[in-house]
Amino acid sequence: KAGVTQTPRYLIKTRGQQVTLSCSPISGHRSVSWYQQTPGQGLQFLFEYFSETQRNKGNFPGRFSGRQFSNSRSEMNVSTLELGDSALYLCASSLVGAGEETQYFGPGTRLLVL
Amino acid sequence: GDSVTQMEGPVTLSEEAFLTINCTYTATGYPSLFWYVQYPGEGLQLLLKATKADDKGSNKGFEATYRKETTSFHLEKGSVQVSDSAVYFCALSNQDDKIIFGKGTRLHILP
Repeated sequence: KAGVTQTPRYLIKTRGQQVTLSCSPISGHRSVSWYQQTPGQGLQFLFEYFSETQRNKGNFPGRFSGRQFSNSRSEMNVSTLELGDSALYLCASSLVGAGEETQYFGPGTRLLVL
Repeated sequence: GDSVTQMEGPVTLSEEAFLTINCTYTATGYPSLFWYVQYPGEGLQLLLKATKADDKGSNKGFEATYRKETTSFHLEKGSVQVSDSAVYFCALSNQDDKIIFGKGTRLHILP
């Protein structure tokens, strides 16, 4: 079974631009969560989608948004990029997103904002 | 709110040494507890988990026991290898299904 895939793997943008990241979950998984990983803040939860609906949201500004398609693939968008948005963005999928379930992570998209 | 605290790194050990990485948590209710590992250049992988008090999770020689009385989930391994060098994250998931991660502990194993 193929794992979680994320595209692109690396991205360089400049301040003020916007970016869209993509995540394809494991086949059959309906829950997709996004995380931001930085050296200073560690791993922080962005949001979770289930059946095309945002079910949980972390404490990030409205510049961070996402969506999920009917095939469970998810995209994350960051508008008006800031230098502090430079990070590794990780996507994780699970069957239904229940608390005790294992989340399977993708390799991440490394975003550098100049 | 819920939180996870794990020991600061980096932790440097010689091969075959005993490893303990401390993790404590604050949560309402009865969370599930996890240890994830991140090897260089890769995403996170689940190492082990425990879903209720006194459960012991184990995998690849690593163990952790869910201790409700001390709100802890310390990671242990009896004899580490160079290939265990990675960043280890303790995490919890509660009723709202969000996963809260600790800041990670970088482990270096010297040959």
